[in-house]
Amino acid sequence: QSVLTQPPSVSGAPGQRVTISCTGSSSNIGAGYDVHWYQQLPGAAPKLLLYRNNNRPSGVPDRFSGSKSGTSASLAITGLQAEDDADYYCQSYDSSLSGLVVFGGGTKLTVL
Amino acid sequence: EVRLVESGGGLILPGESLRLSCAASGFTVSDAYITWVRQPPGKGLEWVSLTYSGGDTYYPDSVKGRFTISKDTSKNTLYLQMNNLRVDDTAVYYCATGSGKFDYWGQGTLVTVSS
Repeated sequence: QSVLTQPPSVSGAPGQRVTISCTGSSSNIGAGYDVHWYQQLPGAAPKLLLYRNNNRPSGVPDRFSGSKSGTSASLAITGLQAEDDADYYCQSYDSSLSGLVVFGGGTKLTVL
Repeated sequence: EVRLVESGGGLILPGESLRLSCAASGFTVSDAYITWVRQPPGKGLEWVSLTYSGGDTYYPDSVKGRFTISKDTSKNTLYLQMNNLRVDDTAVYYCATGSGKFDYWGQGTLVTVSS
């Protein structure tokens, strides 16, 4: 069981908007820790997609955006494109004794 | 340009040990915030270990006492010593670095623990 909870899958047609949620608790997202998002294409290593909740690294299109509120965060993708078909992971930190770095279980985005 | 190259994976028997390497270029491992993350086949990402520039190391309960992260500054290389390996340690192991987030990732090395 992942410390951060994501929906296993989401889907959308090209051009549509989808959101992926990342739900944590008072010991991680709710404690004020930043949330980062990664995109993993099939057969590839993860790639940083958003950092510190809503910041895009150079080269990431502005179709990708993030938000954080309370114990949750979300990733929004607008204008879906075929190349967005991938797995998405949220990541944060946790102040409990069992672990420091925590990931969500991942969400498979299917572009229909 | 930052580059990370993992090596050392392979097929190993349960209970045995293995050391993974992560050769770094474009930055100095001694100054870095650097981590190991693994991904079992068909599953999600799992954090395995973390070390800061000060030398502190951190592990999740699942590997604490079995895995050790270390650095060789002369080779600019990060290591993950894995002892008493179990079948559920089977995964692709990635090293990654950044400043609080993981900007750069290696290509991964596959560790298969099986009898």
